[in-house]
Amino acid sequence: GAVVSQHPSWVICKSGTSVKIECRSLDFQATTMFWYRQFPKQSLMLMATSNEGSKATYEQGVEKDKFLINHASLTLSTLTVTSAHPEDSSFYICSAIGTKSSYEQYFGPGTRLTVT
Amino acid sequence: AQSVSQHNHHVILSEAASLELGCNYSYGGTVNLFWYVQYPGQHLQLLLKYFSGDPLVKGIKGFEAEFIKSKFSFNLRKPSVQWSDTAEYFCAANSNYQLIWGAGTKLIIKP
Repeated sequence: GAVVSQHPSWVICKSGTSVKIECRSLDFQATTMFWYRQFPKQSLMLMATSNEGSKATYEQGVEKDKFLINHASLTLSTLTVTSAHPEDSSFYICSAIGTKSSYEQYFGPGTRLTVT
Repeated sequence: AQSVSQHNHHVILSEAASLELGCNYSYGGTVNLFWYVQYPGQHLQLLLKYFSGDPLVKGIKGFEAEFIKSKFSFNLRKPSVQWSDTAEYFCAANSNYQLIWGAGTKLIIKP
């Protein structure tokens, strides 16, 4: 149980375009979802926290107009990278918390974004 | 401020060697502690977690960790590593739902 999926697993886009990444909890309802960014050889950097039906809370230094997060249902959150630039190329990982435990996060497999 | 530190950024061991990866945390009050592993090209997996109770926690794949409150530590151990343990290991902590991460330790096991 507690499976989180991400789609797509990798995406290449051109500078200036937007790309949407989906995060789904497959077998549980996710009250809270998190979006992380992982740079090569570095730890995860929390970008934002989203609760179903409300606005996401962004970490300091993360542009909310650039990284649009929507948590429309208890099983789906989306991250849209708008007007992508090569420096947005990274590994984006989502995680989710279910109703059973508010302390344990379940991670998706990540999405590799390359902006050319 | 809350923080998690992992002292070893890279560790290289031979197969069958014993492993101990350090993790120290700085937290006020109750803390939950986690070790995650990320195998090459794969997503993060939970190795083990400590919420309360027995401070010696056993996880998957023969790993264990000991919560030592007086030392603010939660070191990960394995008595005999295998080549397949090559991965990056992350220590993390929280007192609510938001995780604070260590920088990670890259473990390479030589066959």
